[in-house]
Amino acid sequence: SQKIEQNSEALNIQEGKTATLTCNYTNYSPAYLQWYRQDPGRGPVFLLLIRENEKEKRKERLKVTFDTTLKQSLFHITASQPADSATYLCALDADGGSQGNLIFGKGTKLSVKP
Amino acid sequence: GAVVSQHPSWVICKSGTSVKIECRSLDFQATTMFWYRQFPKQSLMLMATSNEGSKATYEQGVEKDKFLINHASLTLSTLTVTSAHPEDSSFYICSARRGDRVTSPQYFGPGTRLLVL
Repeated sequence: SQKIEQNSEALNIQEGKTATLTCNYTNYSPAYLQWYRQDPGRGPVFLLLIRENEKEKRKERLKVTFDTTLKQSLFHITASQPADSATYLCALDADGGSQGNLIFGKGTKLSVKP
Repeated sequence: GAVVSQHPSWVICKSGTSVKIECRSLDFQATTMFWYRQFPKQSLMLMATSNEGSKATYEQGVEKDKFLINHASLTLSTLTVTSAHPEDSSFYICSARRGDRVTSPQYFGPGTRLLVL
């Protein structure tokens, strides 16, 4: 079965630095991968989607890469701010993209210190 | 745009009672809605996929007779936890997919925290 891992349970960085979060997957070749942000006690909020044929996607201070050879996606937040502190979840399609069901990783809790 | 609401936001009930959770897409129509469960420090686990006007598709290990899902309209899906027990205590989150493409992002509700005593 598919397995998705977010290597770091927690990541602490200083304000202004670039945060890099890792998402690895095994036993699967997803058609796309999504990143979400989740604040405590809240539902996730969609951030970015990257397809298998895309190497990189950007949105403002966010950048996502997708390496299908390494089976890995990296999520970067540049010029990080304390307001970026949250748990970030990666999710991949669970069924070859046919239904749109997602499998989520456990998330990485990012703390940005002022 | 793309706001999803859930009601109630939290509920405490006695063991053996049934609890209904509503999920509404407020400013868009959602052909497909999803129900997830999340335990502390765990990932979201998909329970079922709900398509308007048809029976829900449940994930392996999820009892369909215990977790009743009704997707009566393009803006409303309900999850009823029947005869709830303490092990059903969890954070239940719904999401709605905006658009017909399977790659359309899911918009999540704020979640419902259920505590069964």
